[in-house]
Amino acid sequence: NAGVTQTPKFQVLKTGQSMTLQCAQDMNHEYMSWYRQDPGMGLRLIHYSVGAGITDQGEVPNGYNVSRSTTEDFPLRLLSAAPSQTSVYFCASSTSGTFTDTQYFGPGTRLTVL
Amino acid sequence: AQSVAQPEDQVNVAEGNPLTVKCTYSVSGNPYLFWYVQYPNRGLQFLLKYITGDNLVKGSYGFEAEFNKSQTSFHLKKPSALVSDSALYFCAVRIGADTGRRALTFGSGTRLQVQP
Repeated sequence: NAGVTQTPKFQVLKTGQSMTLQCAQDMNHEYMSWYRQDPGMGLRLIHYSVGAGITDQGEVPNGYNVSRSTTEDFPLRLLSAAPSQTSVYFCASSTSGTFTDTQYFGPGTRLTVL
Repeated sequence: AQSVAQPEDQVNVAEGNPLTVKCTYSVSGNPYLFWYVQYPNRGLQFLLKYITGDNLVKGSYGFEAEFNKSQTSFHLKKPSALVSDSALYFCAVRIGADTGRRALTFGSGTRLQVQP
């Protein structure tokens, strides 16, 4: 098992550009989510999905879109990048997303918006 | 609203000494509490969790955590620290009982520095 994989590892964008952060898992997990990590603020939930075709907003969804067409993949789209979106992005997955489930995290994507 | 607090930005301890990383929580209903560790330039790794049962939870790499309901705390402990334990530690609580969001709310993190 590769677990949770994320690409790219690093990305630099100019303000206004768009891009997609990729996330994939090979554990047949139903639940997937995206977090951003900023210094001194822990991780904050952006969007999540409880299964293919189902997504919902988290704590900080503005400026981001997601879709879940397959169980394995959960891409995060930045529509028009802004410097405030400079952050480290983590994708996570768990079996079913119930309250007792353990979430497994990918290695992260470090994004800089100039 | 559910929240978790880690009052210390950094904890310094000498190798071989016991370590404690503090975490307090505020939730409505039953708390589901987690500890994760993040090594430099890596993703978060699961250490342990408290769901129900014994207040002392044992996890990976010799870590344990004590759930204290009266003090609303879930402190991470290890009897003898190693230099390789130096990392960023996050406490988290599972939200969802009242919002439907099956996600984790994280504390701000505590950097553990173990000196040789």
